[in-house]
Amino acid sequence: KNEVEQSPQNLTAQEGEFITINCSYSVGISALHWLQQHPGGGIVSLFMLSSGKKKHGRLIATINIQEKHSSLHITASHPRDSAVYICAVRLTGGGADGLTFGKGTHLIIQP
Amino acid sequence: NAGVTQTPKFQVLKTGQSMTLQCAQDMNHEYMSWYRQDPGMGLRLIHYSVGAGITDQGEVPNGYNVSRSTTEDFPLRLLSAAPSQTSVYFCASRLDSNEKLFFGSGTQLSVL
Repeated sequence: KNEVEQSPQNLTAQEGEFITINCSYSVGISALHWLQQHPGGGIVSLFMLSSGKKKHGRLIATINIQEKHSSLHITASHPRDSAVYICAVRLTGGGADGLTFGKGTHLIIQP
Repeated sequence: NAGVTQTPKFQVLKTGQSMTLQCAQDMNHEYMSWYRQDPGMGLRLIHYSVGAGITDQGEVPNGYNVSRSTTEDFPLRLLSAAPSQTSVYFCASRLDSNEKLFFGSGTQLSVL
């Protein structure tokens, strides 16, 4: 059973659309990460959350600890936002590394 | 700061060969980890370290060895390469357990 589920798996949208990517987890966590991976590229950390909401430019990340759910929103999407977005959680009492990763959401923004 | 430097970017091995993937960070991070990324699967932890001299196994440690003699370096050794080890490998570091992650650029490894 995968403890971190992302939806949708794949998303294609038009430039300018508002994008939402979801992450649900089944156990208690101490932190949640949103990561971005461009095709053939490395992985970049976008946000780390333990509560509430964070915003950076056109990206917004929210987390609801009670509902065990986080969302990543992209406003005014652009083709350069095309990437795989990965959710990772640090499980409460999950050991020194303790990170569990979702399988990622593959986002394509068409011009 | 260079961040996390991972080498090589690409490598092709024959079955049975050994090699070392290098990972170095210049941010004085205590936590370092090695992951592999396979199609249709999330990143999976191979080995990790919480400081110099301390390492532990992750989810998929078989066939890999690590050491952490300094805070900066965390090499991953493939002892006898197998086709099942064909994957993309990422090294990552962070200051503490609940801190932001920094990743290396990845190594695409093919074992023939």
